[in-house]
Amino acid sequence: EVQLVESGGGLVQPGGSLRLSCAASGFTVSSNFMSWVRQAPGKGLEWVSVIYSGGSTYYADSVKGRFTISRDYSKNTLYLQMNSLRGEDTAVYYCAREGRDSGAFGAFDIWGQGTMVTVSS
Amino acid sequence: IQLTQSPSFLSASVGDRVTITCRASQGINSYLAWYQQKPGKAPKVLIYAASTLQRGVPSRFSGSGSGTEFTLTISSLQPEDFATYYCQQLNSYPPGYSFGQGTKLEIK
Repeated sequence: EVQLVESGGGLVQPGGSLRLSCAASGFTVSSNFMSWVRQAPGKGLEWVSVIYSGGSTYYADSVKGRFTISRDYSKNTLYLQMNSLRGEDTAVYYCAREGRDSGAFGAFDIWGQGTMVTVSS
Repeated sequence: IQLTQSPSFLSASVGDRVTITCRASQGINSYLAWYQQKPGKAPKVLIYAASTLQRGVPSRFSGSGSGTEFTLTISSLQPEDFATYYCQQLNSYPPGYSFGQGTKLEIK
């Protein structure tokens, strides 16, 4: 079964760090364009970061310089290292696959269930 | 490029035909997708490439448009369709993605 399972969320103080993980099954993370998308409580969806199959990475301006996306081929897992966290980073964080190889070019065809990150003192 | 959805809120009845519009601040490619999200759940893709129905999505959902204006139409609302809908585009430069602000579809 093709699925994504996030973990690593929790409560962290402002200025702190957290690393999110997204374990994939049924497909290979490193062969796909993989993103993190977040949703603040009661708000809309915000794209955060992408890592291309070739390894290039890109970030939303709101997290540039503070967040780092990466992947581990052997564990078939995507990561998001979040540093210098702020209150406005409080959100559910989803990992998602862009469906280039399945035909859904430009669209996120597979999503995880999400993991909640709360930044508060 | 900003994506603006209208309306932000929509009240309709079972059986109604509804249309949601997504306007881009400038002309975009046709890599425009639509998602449905229910409370506490991850979004689910309905339409990609502006008008292609994702496998398994009911045919009452359809998408159209090009350039700066795109639409999602639900031909006959079913009880399970009451949710929030988002449009999303693949950006050319800088690389990345953008979402519209969402349209909440409620039962009248």
